[in-house]
Amino acid sequence: ELKVEQNPLFLSMQEGKNYTIYCNYSTTSDRLYWYRQDPGKSLESLFVLLSNGAVKQEGRLMASLDTKARLSTLHITAAVHDLSATYFCAGGVYGGSQGNLIFGKGTKLSVKP
Amino acid sequence: NAGVMQNPRHLVRRRGQEARLRCSPMKGHSHVYWYRQLPEEGLKFMVYLQKENIIDESGMPKERFSAEFPKEGPSILRIQQVVRGDSAAYFCASSPWEGKSSGNTIYFGEGSWLTVV
Repeated sequence: ELKVEQNPLFLSMQEGKNYTIYCNYSTTSDRLYWYRQDPGKSLESLFVLLSNGAVKQEGRLMASLDTKARLSTLHITAAVHDLSATYFCAGGVYGGSQGNLIFGKGTKLSVKP
Repeated sequence: NAGVMQNPRHLVRRRGQEARLRCSPMKGHSHVYWYRQLPEEGLKFMVYLQKENIIDESGMPKERFSAEFPKEGPSILRIQQVVRGDSAAYFCASSPWEGKSSGNTIYFGEGSWLTVV
């Protein structure tokens, strides 16, 4: 059974600093997603990672996937207040249906001036 | 291009009543998924539907919950005889069918917040 664990669950950082959110998963997963959620809002898709070594970047966010270590990271560069949100990673169940994603509990990020 | 549309956004039901949540997928998407999010938790998969078919209901509670996606109209998640533990945010998502290996983005709606009093 696929389990997804994120850490840290809470992250308070200062503007301008760098930090990494980690997403470990327990068994083979065929896709790894990162989402952002603002309070009371929907999930905004950030990245979809499919293969070992995949790296994607959008603005101050960069995601990578290491399937051998069963680890994905979301790196934040020079954080700004607008990045404050909850970030979720989710793994696709290997051999499971397309939409059957297992989510981590989320990392609540607060960026302070 | 409208996104995934859900309604109602907020719904209050008394214990024992029925709740119906509706979801219209993005234009061109034929695959719909329902997820539930409890407070301070991640989302949990409930069911995956295509038009007139349930593809994967492995996450659906065995009783009181049902889902459909008819040939015409939105997908509906129905919860009968609601209890306080059903209070949660219910998210619908959709995607086109391009296969998992294509890296489909799964788009989420804004959610329906159910409160059972």
